[in-house]
Amino acid sequence: KAGVTQTPRYLIKTRGQQVTLSCSPISGHRSVSWYQQTPGQGLQFLFEYFSETQRNKGNFPGRFSGRQFSNSRSEMNVSTLELGDSALYLCASSKEAGPYGYTFGSGTRLTVV
Amino acid sequence: QQPVQSPQAVILREGEDAVINCSSSKALYSVHWYRQKHGEAPVFLMILLKGGEQKGHEKISASFNEKKQQSSLYLTASQLSYSGTYFCGTEEVDSNTGKLIFGQGTTLQVKP
Repeated sequence: KAGVTQTPRYLIKTRGQQVTLSCSPISGHRSVSWYQQTPGQGLQFLFEYFSETQRNKGNFPGRFSGRQFSNSRSEMNVSTLELGDSALYLCASSKEAGPYGYTFGSGTRLTVV
Repeated sequence: QQPVQSPQAVILREGEDAVINCSSSKALYSVHWYRQKHGEAPVFLMILLKGGEQKGHEKISASFNEKKQQSSLYLTASQLSYSGTYFCGTEEVDSNTGKLIFGQGTTLQVKP
């Protein structure tokens, strides 16, 4: 079965621009989470969606936002990009809310110049 | 609150055993373990729930001591394919499910 699909795989943006990343979860998975991974900070939780509702949000500024559609696909948006936003952005999906493991996508590598 | 993993790095020979620890200062609902190889996505290994249930597969197992908010991952008779960075991710009792807080990772290198 298809895994978690993230697009695009690589992205180069200029400071001040905005970016939208996309995530298609495994079919049937309703929970989608987003993480930022950097060498210095590791894996940091951004937000989690379940049935189109944001249930959890991490400690990131309001420039980071997301949404989930009725088909469980999710997007995250970063506005007014800063150099420090350069990172690997990972999306993970899970069957339902509850004690299930997450399947991660391969990520989107964002470079801000 | 980010859980603390120890050790930060381990180098093993094939066939040797390793233990990776994860400790949190918060009351936990569950502990997840993931392995990430360089340039790849993290891969789910197992989940431990309150109740101390030990789960595992093949030669990798784990335990969860909910009183101490500690979990340990046991890798026995390590194989070259076990190399990678291991992360524990914790779900705190106070937060809604779906929010994983990851430790800083433990790098495991298995040599022939």
